[in-house]
Amino acid sequence: ETGVTQTPRHLVMGMTNKKSLKCEQHLGHNAMYWYKQSAKKPLELMFVYSLEERVENNSVPSRFSPECPNSSHLFLHLHTLQPEDSALYLCASSHNPTGQDSPLHFGNGTRLTVT
Amino acid sequence: QKEVEQNSGPLSVPEGAIASLNCTYSDRGSQSFFWYRQYSGKSPELIMSIYSNGDKEDGRFTAQLNKASQYVSLLIRDSQPSDSATYLCAVEDTGFQKLVFGTGTRLLVSP
Repeated sequence: ETGVTQTPRHLVMGMTNKKSLKCEQHLGHNAMYWYKQSAKKPLELMFVYSLEERVENNSVPSRFSPECPNSSHLFLHLHTLQPEDSALYLCASSHNPTGQDSPLHFGNGTRLTVT
Repeated sequence: QKEVEQNSGPLSVPEGAIASLNCTYSDRGSQSFFWYRQYSGKSPELIMSIYSNGDKEDGRFTAQLNKASQYVSLLIRDSQPSDSATYLCAVEDTGFQKLVFGTGTRLLVSP
């Protein structure tokens, strides 16, 4: 399997639930990302990991908790979310966290609905 | 806060025409620029990258960069209905070493 894979593709959860999003990349990249995409808004960077270390937390509420156990896997743990958290959550990877020749490769995303 | 501006569209062009998508950015120090295509309900996919002033061609796609004017564009020649999608411009934010995305331009190519 190649590329960046995300599971689940769709998720509906109540505000009191706890769930996790999973991402796996098979590209040998060193950096992984979580982005949030809401209607009519630009992609919002949530978290960046480089070689399993978190290098950026873009002022994301604590109800979102990332985990990067190794350079190929990334999780986003969700708890006590709000309806406004409903969005498309995209995982991405790149060879390095910054610079030229390090474009982002995105997974197919998880469409999250919080009821 | 660094910004990337795009006209949200939709930009409507007939099949076979040239589609011109534009993007302006605020970070004068940016060195890396990317165009992503996103079909409805799908994730963004990289179609072009450009790092120096001038034109870069790849098949029917041409990216143009003018750092003095802080302007980057994407031309699609011989537009096809399958090109109908939202095109996202992404620019490197040199201060925080990350990509900043525009809201995207929706392109509609009619048969």
